[in-house]
Amino acid sequence: AQSVAQPEDQVNVAEGNPLTVKCTYSVSGNPYLFWYVQYPNRGLQFLLKYITGDNLVKGSYGFEAEFNKSQTSFHLKKPSALVSDSALYFCAVRDPSGGSYIPTFGRGTSLIVHP
Amino acid sequence: GAGVSQSPSNKVTEKGKDVELRCDPISGHTALYWYRQSLGQGLEFLIYFQGNSAPDKSGLPSDRFSAERTGGSVSTLTIQRTQQEDSAVYLCASSLAITGNEQFFGPGTRLTVL
Repeated sequence: AQSVAQPEDQVNVAEGNPLTVKCTYSVSGNPYLFWYVQYPNRGLQFLLKYITGDNLVKGSYGFEAEFNKSQTSFHLKKPSALVSDSALYFCAVRDPSGGSYIPTFGRGTSLIVHP
Repeated sequence: GAGVSQSPSNKVTEKGKDVELRCDPISGHTALYWYRQSLGQGLEFLIYFQGNSAPDKSGLPSDRFSAERTGGSVSTLTIQRTQQEDSAVYLCASSLAITGNEQFFGPGTRLTVL
């Protein structure tokens, strides 16, 4: 079985400060991990993914995430937050060893960046 | 290039009526997914199509929900005898059927059942 948790419903950060949005997962084998962003009244947009290779993954809009196998985490980070980063962020996991092509999404974390 | 499109963008219907939601995936994407997003909730998987294979319907909440995909492209999600609890945003996504590929989402259809 595969599952993902986003422990924070909301994250508040001041513009210019670093931000972290947390994600932990549970799978039987090696995970495929994804981050998506959703702006108001829009669909989800892909930010970045970890499939294999380097644990630090860089994605769109200056975001990056670090795969940590021992802590089963894939936290999303950005060195300097912008007000325009305010949105809903979703982490997703898929266990390729499970034979399913259907990822499991977290409940989402609302990021609010204050000017 | 063109992304995933969905229609209508908004649909208001009366309880008990049937509704059809449409999804046009990205050309060449053989995988297509339907999700439901309720206020304050994450994404609830509904159904998955992959090429000509039988769809994975394991997420459909009741037999009032059905979906089809014609010609491996356009998909329609049908909800019969709508109930107020069906009110949500219905999202469609497509992807290349290659392991590890990300999904591309449409803008969604906001369904309101009165």
